[in-house]
Amino acid sequence: EAGVTQSPTHLIKTRGQQVTLRCSPISGHTSVYWYQQALGLGLQFLLWYDEGEERNRGNFPPRFSGRQFPNYSSELNVNALELEDSALYLCASSPRAGGNQPQHFGDGTRLSIL
Amino acid sequence: DAKTTQPPSMDCAEGRAANLPCNHSTISGNEYVYWYRQIHSQGPQYIIHGLKNNETNEMASLIITEDRKSSTLILPHATLRDTAVYYCIVSAYSGSARQLTFGSGTQLTVLP
Repeated sequence: EAGVTQSPTHLIKTRGQQVTLRCSPISGHTSVYWYQQALGLGLQFLLWYDEGEERNRGNFPPRFSGRQFPNYSSELNVNALELEDSALYLCASSPRAGGNQPQHFGDGTRLSIL
Repeated sequence: DAKTTQPPSMDCAEGRAANLPCNHSTISGNEYVYWYRQIHSQGPQYIIHGLKNNETNEMASLIITEDRKSSTLILPHATLRDTAVYYCIVSAYSGSARQLTFGSGTQLTVLP
């Protein structure tokens, strides 16, 4: 069974640009979560999507947004990139909303802002 | 979600059992204990989770105290590849708040 896949693995952008990161969940998983892990910091929750709807978002500005497609894959968009957005962006998926099923993570997209 | 406390670092000899403790004294009755690990530059890897009974899978065992205020993750025969940051997380997975809150974790170093 394929795990959570993310693309691209690495990305370099400059300040002010926009970026789109992609995530494919494990087959059968309907919930997708996005996290940010900046260098030296812990994982910070960004967004949660389930059944195509945004269910919750963390303490991030509106320039961080995303969506979930009918096949449950997801995109994370970041506009007006700032130097502090340099981080590892992780996507996770879980089987369904509710319950105690664990989230399974991909290996992330490493975004560098110059 | 309840807060967890873990030692910042631990060492373990290769082939020995690694016992990683976690305190979660404010855990609620509906909160599960989850363990993940993260090897440098990779995404967190799910290890095991439990509510109140001890759990075992092919990777590890989870021992939760009877009052549920602490738990221990046991890697029975640690290898060099088990060197990683280990995170203990408690989460209720309620309808509107399913995100995981990661703390600082424990850096486990397995020594040859």
